[in-house]
Amino acid sequence: DSGVTQTPKHLITATGQRVTLRCSPRSGDLSVYWYQQSLDQGLQFLIQYYNGEERAKGNILERFSAQQFPDLHSELNLSSLELGDSALYFCASSVGPSGGLETQYFGPGTRLLVL
Amino acid sequence: AQSVTQPDIHITVSEGASLELRCNYSYGATPYLFWYVQSPGQGLQLLLKYFSGDTLVQGIKGFEAEFKRSQSSFNLRKPSVHWSDATEYFCAVGPTGGGNKLTFGTGTQLKVEL
Repeated sequence: DSGVTQTPKHLITATGQRVTLRCSPRSGDLSVYWYQQSLDQGLQFLIQYYNGEERAKGNILERFSAQQFPDLHSELNLSSLELGDSALYFCASSVGPSGGLETQYFGPGTRLLVL
Repeated sequence: AQSVTQPDIHITVSEGASLELRCNYSYGATPYLFWYVQSPGQGLQLLLKYFSGDTLVQGIKGFEAEFKRSQSSFNLRKPSVHWSDATEYFCAVGPTGGGNKLTFGTGTQLKVEL
């Protein structure tokens, strides 16, 4: 158990819909990262927040957005969902802002299926 | 651009045999390298990491990896594989892209024959 929690574990929805994925980082960690794992794209970094502020951005679609709240939990919002958005979405956390230099601890993921 | 290549999509070894999973990277500076293991329903777990210093790093579960700058490689090894090691392994490099993200390889699926 990494200490990172993600809800829900599974999500099934329809095209065009909007969903929210939630992540709680390990106690004491200020950075939260979101990754997408799909069969065709592999594991891709989406976005990082550090202490409530956006820190780094990766291959995140404009239909996707994220935020980190004062209690440090984070939410990833996916809107106008398409079939290709079906994937496993991971959240990770680390102590500080320099994720590449620190160990990132991953949650169990949320599996999203868009029908 | 930074990248990570795991040349072997699948590898099969017999239980008790030695294991080596290959990882090659492309990075403009001194890389920070990681090996993660993905177990179903449990996300990604860090096996080991290399930041600097000794190029042979020890990790959890009996794994080790060696950083070879001349070959741009960071291969994962285990002297004797157990059936419970059968899962998917990912090599990663960071930070990349001007931010703090990790760039992952495509993964190697390990099968262990009893």
